[in-house]
Amino acid sequence: GAVVSQHPSWVICKSGTSVKIECRSLDFQATTMFWYRQFPKQSLMLMATSNEGSKATYEQGVEKDKFLINHASLTLSTLTVTSAHPEDSSFYICSARIPLGGGIQETQYFGPGTRLLVL
Amino acid sequence: AQSVSQHNHHVILSEAASLELGCNYSYGGTVNLFWYVQYPGQHLQLLLKYFSGDPLVKGIKGFEAEFIKSKFSFNLRKPSVQWSDTAEYFCAVNAESSASKIIFGSGTRLSIRP
Repeated sequence: GAVVSQHPSWVICKSGTSVKIECRSLDFQATTMFWYRQFPKQSLMLMATSNEGSKATYEQGVEKDKFLINHASLTLSTLTVTSAHPEDSSFYICSARIPLGGGIQETQYFGPGTRLLVL
Repeated sequence: AQSVSQHNHHVILSEAASLELGCNYSYGGTVNLFWYVQYPGQHLQLLLKYFSGDPLVKGIKGFEAEFIKSKFSFNLRKPSVQWSDTAEYFCAVNAESSASKIIFGSGTRLSIRP
C-alpha cells in the first residue's frame, strides 16, 4: 500500500518557539494532503486541507496564522506551529490521498503522526 | 454539516466473542464510508471502505461492515475476535459535497480479554 511518512515522530520545544512538521508521500504523488490533530483518547479533528501549489483550506476554528501549511511539491506538505504554547501539545497526523480519476472514490493514507510537547 | 457518531466508547470482550461496533452518520447525500483501526502505538490503517455497490463490505482481518442507507448506519462486525484485535476503531465519512474531507467519529476502544 501507499506509504506516508512524518518527521519528526516526536518533538519537545519551549513555549514561544516554532515547530515544523513534515509530511511526505513516499511512493505516490499527492495533490492533496490533510492535517489532523488528535488529543489523548479522542478522535482525529481535521485542521486543514493542504493543496499543492495553492493556499490551504482551514477548518472553522483553526487559526491559519498559527498553523502555517505549505504544500510546495506533490510529495511534501509541512505544518508549522508558530509561537507554540502548552495548549498546542498534541498528536498531529497527516494524510495523503491517491486520486482515482479525479473522483471522490479514493482512499486516504495516514502518516504515523508527530507528538508535540510544548513546555 | 456531516457528522459521525460512534455509540460505544469502550467495548470489552473475551476472545472468540462476536463484535459489532455501531456507527451512524448524518448527511442526506451520497457518502463514502470507512472504518479505520489504530493499534497501540501505531498509525491509522484502513480496515474497509464503502463507495457503492454491495452494501456488505468485507475488509481485512475478517472484519466486515454493512451500509444501511435507511438507517444512516455503517456498523462494523467480526464473528470471532482475537486478542490482537485490541485497538481503537474509528468510523469515518466523506460526503460527496466536501471534496475529499473525511470526518471521523469519536472512536471506540476495543479491549479483548485473552
